[in-house]
Amino acid sequence: GENVEQHPSTLSVQEGDSAVIKCTYSDSASNYFPWYKQELGKGPQLIIDIRSNVGEKKDQRIAVTLNKTAKHFSLHITETQPEDSAVYFCAASGGSARQLTFGSGTQLTVLP
Amino acid sequence: NAGVMQNPRHLVRRRGQEARLRCSPVKGHSHVYWYRQLPEEGLKFMVYLQKENIIDESGMPKERFSAEFPKEGPSILRIQQVVRGDSAAYFCASSPEGGDTEAFFGQGTRLTVV
Repeated sequence: GENVEQHPSTLSVQEGDSAVIKCTYSDSASNYFPWYKQELGKGPQLIIDIRSNVGEKKDQRIAVTLNKTAKHFSLHITETQPEDSAVYFCAASGGSARQLTFGSGTQLTVLP
Repeated sequence: NAGVMQNPRHLVRRRGQEARLRCSPVKGHSHVYWYRQLPEEGLKFMVYLQKENIIDESGMPKERFSAEFPKEGPSILRIQQVVRGDSAAYFCASSPEGGDTEAFFGQGTRLTVV
């Protein structure tokens, strides 16, 4: 089955700086890669996703890149703000599996 | 997300009791997934259902756990004879028909076994 690894587990940045979170996956048949933001006591919220026919996708301060050859994808947040502080999860699905396989999460802290 | 509704939000059960967790998907979504999140960990897939059918239960413990998604009404995750190790947050997600696997999550049910 699919295995997703996520790094780093914790990340602290100064407000206004950029944050990058990286994930690798094992199943070459995976073709859908979403990112979720989870605030304390809440459910995961989809913030951006990318499909395997695209190398990069951007939505305001958030961007995701995908390298299918290397089987890794990354989340980039620019001009970070304190409200960006949360746990971020990457995930993968596709091939024979419709359900998501999640990474272990990154606790992002944006320092004012 | 106003679409996926889970209840109760918090559930306390004594060891040996039964826990029933409910999930109403986004209106029009026919695919429901249950995930479990232990403290300080990521989400682990448990079961994937469509109306009246279990499609994939490979992540579900073999004993005490069951799930259903009836023709009418919410999806139910049932845990019999709960033990302390069942304490976790249980999340339900739903996605629409078709090849799009975009999934929206509910706020979760936090189960505490005492």
